[in-house]
Amino acid sequence: QQQVKQSPQSLIVQKGGISIINCAYENTAFDYFPWYQQFPGKGPALLIAIRPDVSEKKEGRFTISFNKSAKQFSLHIMDSQPGDSATYFCAASIRRSDKIIFGKGTRLHILP
Amino acid sequence: DAEITQSPRHKITETGRQVTLACHQTWNHNNMFWYRQDLGHGLRLIHYSYGVQDTNKGEVSDGYSVSRSNTEDLPLTLESAASSQTSVYFCASSGGTYYEQYFGPGTRLTVT
Repeated sequence: QQQVKQSPQSLIVQKGGISIINCAYENTAFDYFPWYQQFPGKGPALLIAIRPDVSEKKEGRFTISFNKSAKQFSLHIMDSQPGDSATYFCAASIRRSDKIIFGKGTRLHILP
Repeated sequence: DAEITQSPRHKITETGRQVTLACHQTWNHNNMFWYRQDLGHGLRLIHYSYGVQDTNKGEVSDGYSVSRSNTEDLPLTLESAASSQTSVYFCASSGGTYYEQYFGPGTRLTVT
């Protein structure tokens, strides 16, 4: 019940295309859903985050879509660029624990 | 600028040896975390601490220990290194925003 399931494991997208990464969860106690971006040789860094009472959040080319009833959320990267090539982790957190449960990650490669 | 550092960045050790990985943060964050990252498994929580003298086990704590004697440092010790502990280890800290963790650059550990 503490898991966050992420798919696909890897993704190849043409430059200018839309990259879509999907996640699902079971625990309704999760109260925030962040996405982390990790470049090779670096630690992950917070990219964007959403509360479960919001259906969509957009920051530049990055959009989170959230479906509370289905317990699913997704990251869309519009106009994908080679510089977006990285590993993306969806995650879920519970305020009272200060811990983050991470999905297994998606390795995204944008073809130039 | 505040930061989180890890040392060493790379370490090769032999089976059975004790190894300590250092983590130091200058954000004055109360929460600190240790993760290991393995292909196909994402980020898995090893140990975490909510403050000085506080330590807690994560989902993969067997064979690892931590101690928290001050706010800035959370060293991770492998009591008797095993080949299964070959991995990339990340330290992280968090403060006021519970879903945002700041990650260090990682330590790549190889146990031969």
